[in-house]
Amino acid sequence: DAGVIQSPRHEVTEMGQEVTLRCKPISGHNSLFWYRQTMMRGLELLIYFNNNVPIDDSGMPEDRFSAKMPNASFSTLKIQPSEPRDSAVYFCASRGGASSYEQYFGPGTRLTVT
Amino acid sequence: QKEVEQNSGPLSVPEGAIASLNCTYSDRGSQSFFWYRQYSGKSPELIMFIYSNGDKEDGRFTAQLNKASQYVSLLIRDSQPSDSATYLCAVNMYSGGGADGLTFGKGTHLIIQP
Repeated sequence: DAGVIQSPRHEVTEMGQEVTLRCKPISGHNSLFWYRQTMMRGLELLIYFNNNVPIDDSGMPEDRFSAKMPNASFSTLKIQPSEPRDSAVYFCASRGGASSYEQYFGPGTRLTVT
Repeated sequence: QKEVEQNSGPLSVPEGAIASLNCTYSDRGSQSFFWYRQYSGKSPELIMFIYSNGDKEDGRFTAQLNKASQYVSLLIRDSQPSDSATYLCAVNMYSGGGADGLTFGKGTHLIIQP
């Protein structure tokens, strides 16, 4: 079975540009999570969805960040405009259900904003 | 605000010895607790979870939980060089694996010396 798929794996962009990160969860999983990891702040939850519905976006740092999940097999995280402090590794994770303990992480997208 | 604290390390342990990793959390409402392992440049992977006070063993790994002290630990017996990684402690508000996302500590870097 394919795991969580993220694209692109690496993204280098200039400050002010729009960045879109993509995630395909494991088939059949109904919860999806976006995390960001930096050396300074560690791994932080940005937003999560249950059954394609955003449940908690309190971790989204600013209005420049937005996330969507138009269907059960696809989600995007968009940053517009991007800033150098957004440089981080962004992970998407999915989970099979409320009674399932394990969140399966994708390989991550390493974002560098210059 | 939920906080999860870990000693960043590095924690250096001789091969074959017991590695002890510790974590404290601030939110008394936390219900379930997770240990993730993250190799450099890779995504986190679940090692163990625990939600009841006491010990839980799985192979060479033992998770220990003390809710009164708000303390959770991970013991790794017969440490191997392949155990060298960063270990992330995470907590969740719900006992059923979590309807919401995880709050992570910044991780402890473990080095197993051959």
